[in-house]
Amino acid sequence: SQKIEQNSEALNIQEGKTATLTCNYTNYSPAYLQWYRQDPGRGPVFLLLIRENEKEKRKERLKVTFDTTLKQSLFHITASQPADSATYLCALPQYGGSQGNLIFGKGTKLSVKP
Amino acid sequence: DAGVTQSPTHLIKTRGQQVTLRCSPKSGHDTVSWYQQALGQGPQFIFQYYEEEERQRGNFPDRFSGHQFPNYSSELNVNALLLGDSALYLCASRWGPHSEQYFGPGTRLTVT
Repeated sequence: SQKIEQNSEALNIQEGKTATLTCNYTNYSPAYLQWYRQDPGRGPVFLLLIRENEKEKRKERLKVTFDTTLKQSLFHITASQPADSATYLCALPQYGGSQGNLIFGKGTKLSVKP
Repeated sequence: DAGVTQSPTHLIKTRGQQVTLRCSPKSGHDTVSWYQQALGQGPQFIFQYYEEEERQRGNFPDRFSGHQFPNYSSELNVNALLLGDSALYLCASRWGPHSEQYFGPGTRLTVT
């Protein structure tokens, strides 16, 4: 079955720097991939969706890339702020394409220090 | 727009008891999914409801069951609670099969 790996459990960076988070999947090629933000004790909040035919997508200070050859998505936050501190989750369809429910990685906890 | 709402916020139960969690989807959404999230883990898919029927199910035992009502709201029932069922239970709704999901704040279940 599909497995998702988010490369690090925690990432600490200085305010103003760019944070880069990685999401790798192992088997089926998804038709799309989603990124969510989760604050402690709260439900995830949808940030961005990128489709397999899109190399890059941007939203304000956020940028997501999708490399189907490497089976990898990168999530960037530019000019990071302490308010960006949270856990970031990637998610994709379980059986590849658009099939199956959405499965999530364990997340990467980002801490932005002032 | 109230977004996705869940009740109760917190719940403490004893092993062997049964629990019912409730979810109201975001206005206009017809599909509801339930997830279990243990501490430090990503959400694990339990099942999805659409048109009042369970459409997909994750790797959870039959002790976990659900229901969707005509107004699209949903319930998650867990029987014979185990200590390992302690987790944050999340409800998510969406319109259409491949759109982004909107999550509720979750119900924190503690089994003692």
